[in-house]
Parts: sequence; C-alpha cells; structure tokens
Amino acid sequence: GAGVSQTPSNKVTEKGKYVELRCDPISGHTALYWYRQSLGQGPEFLIYFQGTGAADDSGLPNDRFFAVRPEGSVSTLKIQRTERGDSAMYLCASSLNSGAYTGELFFGEGSRLTVL
Amino acid sequence: AQTVTQSQPEMSVQEAETVTLSCTYDTSESDYYLFWYKQPPSRQMILVIRQEAYKQQNATENRFSVNFQKAAKSFSLKISDSQLGDAAMYFCAYRRDTGNQFYFGTGTSLTVIP
Repeated sequence: GAGVSQTPSNKVTEKGKYVELRCDPISGHTALYWYRQSLGQGPEFLIYFQGTGAADDSGLPNDRFFAVRPEGSVSTLKIQRTERGDSAMYLCASSLNSGAYTGELFFGEGSRLTVL
Repeated sequence: AQTVTQSQPEMSVQEAETVTLSCTYDTSESDYYLFWYKQPPSRQMILVIRQEAYKQQNATENRFSVNFQKAAKSFSLKISDSQLGDAAMYFCAYRRDTGNQFYFGTGTSLTVIP
C-alpha cells in the first residue's frame, strides 16, 4: 500500500488477555518503529527494527511486550496478560534507513487498545 | 537520555494570523536532527519540517518555518497565515545524528479560530 497500515484500528480486550497488533510498513522501508502514545502525551519509543532484527528494544516496558518482524516487512506487537495500564494508542512508523542515513518517520493511524 | 520539552500544552490563533510553538531539548551531542510533526484529530502523524543541527540556516516549508537556536537548544515552529486545517497536535522531536531513536515532546494542541 501507499502508506503505513495498522490493524486493528481499535481493540477492546479484558484484563489478562493476549493481544496482537499488526503493522504493514511502506514497501521498501527497512526500518520499522513501534511507539506507544497515552492520552495527552507524546509518542513513547518501544522498539525499532532494522530489517528482521530488533536493533533496539530498550523501550519495551516489561517482558509482557514482544514484537517480531520475521520477513523484514510486516511486524506484530504482542502483549501478554494485558493490564489496564496498557491502554493506549500504539503507533507504528516506518522509515527508509540506509547505512548512516536515517530518514523521516512515516506513521500509521495507530491501533487504539483499551483494556477493561 | 535526551529530553524534549514543549511548555505550551495548548495554543490558539486566529485564522490568517501567525503563531509560534515552542520547543526546547537537552543533548550533549553536536550533530542531530530536529523535527516538527503534526497529528490532526483521529489521523496519522505527518512530518511538517525538519532541521539538521549542522545547518545554520533555518528550515522553511511554505507557511511553516523554524527558529533554530543551537546554543540555547531551542527549536520553535512558526506558522504563518494560519488555516483551519492547521488545527492539530504538534510534536517536536529529536534524533541523534548516529542514532535511530526519535524522542518526542508532549505536544502542543493548536486551535485555529475562524
């Protein structure tokens, strides 16, 4: 597609459930980022992929959060044993990073997660 | 860690007037990039303008321009001839020259009054 696509756009789940959020980046973009945005806050970094590998996962809050990008394109953010505090907008962004060049971020519309 | 501060949670401007949004950042690096992103209600975030720290000239994109003061670590966004479509959250962001992580401020909500 032309832009970054995120699904689902909205997800309501119960405390303790498992959730997967999907991101389909812009074709050809090697870098993929996950951010979490709480109401009234700026995006908070979670994890960054360069290709298939997680180049920086320092923003993942705990071991309940995990992300994969097995073929270097689509990525899935996985949250186990969800808690009410996980409720937020989860943003995905992709970028054309090549060597020392890091391009601008192109964001998806986000997946709003609500944990009841 | 780098921090980005936006001290104006909300701003308003009359249509066709000019408004300036403030941003300061903290870094010990000499080379880095600064960005302003716009997030309209229920829509995705898009890049408004970017500035390379090694460039002394302030970036300009049509009605949008920045005032980059490197010594003061200040990076304000000026929107001229404000339009209704400019209403959005505006986020200032920082990235190290050699890094890939973007650091965002808490945002400024801009209202444009007809």
